Amino acid sequence: GENVEQHPSTLSVQEGDSAVIKCTYSDSASNYFPWYKQELGKRPQLIIDIRSNVGEKKDQRIAVTLNKTAKHFSLHITETQPEDSAVYFCAALSGGSYIPTFGRGTSLIVHP
Amino acid sequence: EAQVTQNPRYLITVTGKKLTVTCSQNMNHEYMSWYRQDPGLGLRQIYYSMNVEVTDKGDVPEGYKVSRKEKRNFPLILESPSPNQTSLYFCASSLQNSPLHFGNGTRLTVT
Repeated sequence: GENVEQHPSTLSVQEGDSAVIKCTYSDSASNYFPWYKQELGKRPQLIIDIRSNVGEKKDQRIAVTLNKTAKHFSLHITETQPEDSAVYFCAALSGGSYIPTFGRGTSLIVHP
Repeated sequence: EAQVTQNPRYLITVTGKKLTVTCSQNMNHEYMSWYRQDPGLGLRQIYYSMNVEVTDKGDVPEGYKVSRKEKRNFPLILESPSPNQTSLYFCASSLQNSPLHFGNGTRLTVT
């Protein structure tokens, strides 16, 4: 089955810096890669996603890149703000699947 | 408003006392799933369902039961809760190859 590795497990940055979280996956059939943000005490919520026919997708300060050959995808947050502090989860799904495989999560701390 | 509703938000119970956590979605999603979240272990899938009357075990199904008698509802049942089931539980639903919509979570404490 699919295996998703996520790094780092903890990331501490100063406000205004950039943050990058990386995930690798094992199943070459995976073609949908969502990212979720979970603020303290709240539910995970989708922040951005990418499908395998696209190499990069941006939404304001957030971007996701996908390298299908290397089987990894990354979340990039620019100009970080304290409200970006949260746990971020990556996931991968195979074509036609309902069941995501999640990474273990990255705790991002943005210091004012 | 499209949402996944799970209840209760907080539950404290004693070992062995049967309990049910309810989950309902109003988006006509085929897929529903239960996760538990523990510090350092991420989201671990307990059970999932791809349609009415179809349920399957996830990664950590021991000690849990589910049912899917209607498309919108997917309750999680703990027949005989134990302290190692103290956790934060999330219900989620989705369409095929689409993002999950999570409920607000249920924090369960078993003493």
